[in-house]
Amino acid sequence: ETGVTQTPRHLVMGMTNKKSLKCEQHLGHNAMYWYKQSAKKPLELMFVYSLEERVENNSVPSRFSPECPNSSHLFLHLHTLQPEDSALYLCASSPSREGYYEQYFGPGTRLTVT
Amino acid sequence: AQKVTQAQTEISVVEKEDVTLDCVYETRDTTYYLFWYKQPPSGELVFLIRRNSFDEQNEISGRYSWNFQKSTSSFNFTITASQVVDSAVYFCALSGAGAAGNKLTFGGGTRVLVKP
Repeated sequence: ETGVTQTPRHLVMGMTNKKSLKCEQHLGHNAMYWYKQSAKKPLELMFVYSLEERVENNSVPSRFSPECPNSSHLFLHLHTLQPEDSALYLCASSPSREGYYEQYFGPGTRLTVT
Repeated sequence: AQKVTQAQTEISVVEKEDVTLDCVYETRDTTYYLFWYKQPPSGELVFLIRRNSFDEQNEISGRYSWNFQKSTSSFNFTITASQVVDSAVYFCALSGAGAAGNKLTFGGGTRVLVKP
């Protein structure tokens, strides 16, 4: 595997379910990110991890819970979601948090909350 | 606060036509970076170019070219002789400098549809 991978690619869940999104980067990067992309809003940064430490939480509701067990893996745990949480969730990584570096994105998980 | 505006939500062209995507940004930082990303139907954003605030040279890469004008806070992107494979959503983005600078602010994106 190369680049940034995300699983699952598609997920349908009810509002009372608990599920997790997984992201893995094979680039040796130290920073990882979760973004939300919905039809009505531009790409929104949700969380930033640097060397496995969460350094940014962009006012995300607690029903989204990130986890970064090591610098290659990033999870987004979901519980009691709302229909408005339906969106494409994108994971990205970069060599560090320096603004100079471009971010490398995964293909995303298309989430539908019913 | 940083802001990126892409006024064009969708552009439709016929193959071989040129297409220019506009991007206007706002920032109070003196050092910053501008990016363009392409999002094909498969979903992942693909990095196209980075420009830092001190480098106003225009850049050309194959059929792609970029015009950075600090005086008008614009970073426009032109696809010359468009092809069907150029159909995608294109995002302009802005980040600050420094150790915590990598918080990308994205524009709303411009969908480009190239018809054969």
